[in-house]
Amino acid sequence: EAGVAQSPRYKIIEKRQSVAFWCNPISGHATLYWYQQILGQGPKLLIQFQNNGVVDDSQLPKDRFSAERLKGVDSTLKIQPAKLEDSAVYLCASSLDWGPGELFFGEGSRLTVL
Amino acid sequence: GENVEQHPSTLSVQEGDSAVIKCTYSDSASNYFPWYKQELGKRPQLIIDIRSNVGEKKDQRIAVTLNKTAKHFSLHITETQPEDSAVYFCAASKNSGTYKYIFGTGTRLKVLA
Repeated sequence: EAGVAQSPRYKIIEKRQSVAFWCNPISGHATLYWYQQILGQGPKLLIQFQNNGVVDDSQLPKDRFSAERLKGVDSTLKIQPAKLEDSAVYLCASSLDWGPGELFFGEGSRLTVL
Repeated sequence: GENVEQHPSTLSVQEGDSAVIKCTYSDSASNYFPWYKQELGKRPQLIIDIRSNVGEKKDQRIAVTLNKTAKHFSLHITETQPEDSAVYFCAASKNSGTYKYIFGTGTRLKVLA
């Protein structure tokens, strides 16, 4: 079974530039999560989708971050404009449904903002 | 909002010794508590979880205990091996229409050979 795919693995940009990350969850997984993991900290939820609908985006900085999950499968997370404090690993995860259970994480996209 | 505190932040043990990592959660409605292991440069992976209707769960060398009254849960690793070296994250979640996982800050475990 293929795992959660993310790209790019690494991205370096200047502050005020924009960046986009892509995630392809495990086939059949209804729930998709984007987490931000700053060095030395635990993953922090940015946004959670159930199929193609947003169920939680309370911690998403909506003035600069946006995310979508078209057709309930792939998802993109965009940052525009980026700030220095956005430097982090962006982890995408998926789970079979909305109930308690295992989150399957991708390998992450490491963003460095200079 | 929900908060999960995790201690210690780093832990070094001799190979063969036991390791214990503790987490405290704030929301008494939390009812599902997973533990994830993240090796250097790799993705977090679930190693064990526990639901609020049980007090302890064991899987070979790892076990998790839950004290709902005190709102804390712990990961126990016995007979530690070098391959146990990693960062461990606890999480707490509850049913609020969907399950949202709040992660602790992580514990870096080093098993010394």
